Amino acid sequence: SQKIEQNSEALNIQEGKTATLTCNYTNYSPAYLQWYRQDPGRGPVFLLLIRENEKEKRKERLKVTFDTTLKQSLFHITASQPADSATYLCALDWNQAGTALIFGKGTTLSVSS
Amino acid sequence: SQTIHQWPATLVQPVGSPLSLECTVEGTSNPNLYWYRQAAGRGLQLLFYSVGIGQISSEVPQNLSASRPQDRQFILSSKKLLLSDSGFYLCAWTPGRADEQYFGPGTRLTVT
Repeated sequence: SQKIEQNSEALNIQEGKTATLTCNYTNYSPAYLQWYRQDPGRGPVFLLLIRENEKEKRKERLKVTFDTTLKQSLFHITASQPADSATYLCALDWNQAGTALIFGKGTTLSVSS
Repeated sequence: SQTIHQWPATLVQPVGSPLSLECTVEGTSNPNLYWYRQAAGRGLQLLFYSVGIGQISSEVPQNLSASRPQDRQFILSSKKLLLSDSGFYLCAWTPGRADEQYFGPGTRLTVT
């Protein structure tokens, strides 16, 4: 069956370090993958989208990689700050029609000062 | 600019009671609309999506239903709530294909 996994429920790092979050999927051939940030009690907020023909995408301190052979995406936050503390979700377009996403359960990042 | 509204923000309902959650989008036309549920300790679960008025696709067969009576209005309903329906309900929209989704503020539903 189709599955998307974020293999760390929680990640604790020190301020200034690089946080690396992992998203793996099986039995999918997504056209793209997305990353969202969710703060407690709020709806997710879109961060980055990377397409299957792109290997890497950057936005300010954020970097996403997409390896369709490994079926994996890595999400990096460089020079992390306490304000980066949140839950980060990855999502794939799953029905090929491009009309719906499936989300991972998320990784909760805590950045301590 | 586009905005998405959901109401109510919080709701406490007894088991067996009906449910109606509303979502509206402003500043766009013909959006794709989505209902998700996020239960404690679980991921974001897609419940329904709609690509147009009266067009509803259900991803999870259960005691919930959705309707889209107007272009920018999406309603989630139930005739009889179960305890397992408790959760954080989120509405989202996209301008077309499932590119970046814009989420509403959510409704926290507690079924007692």
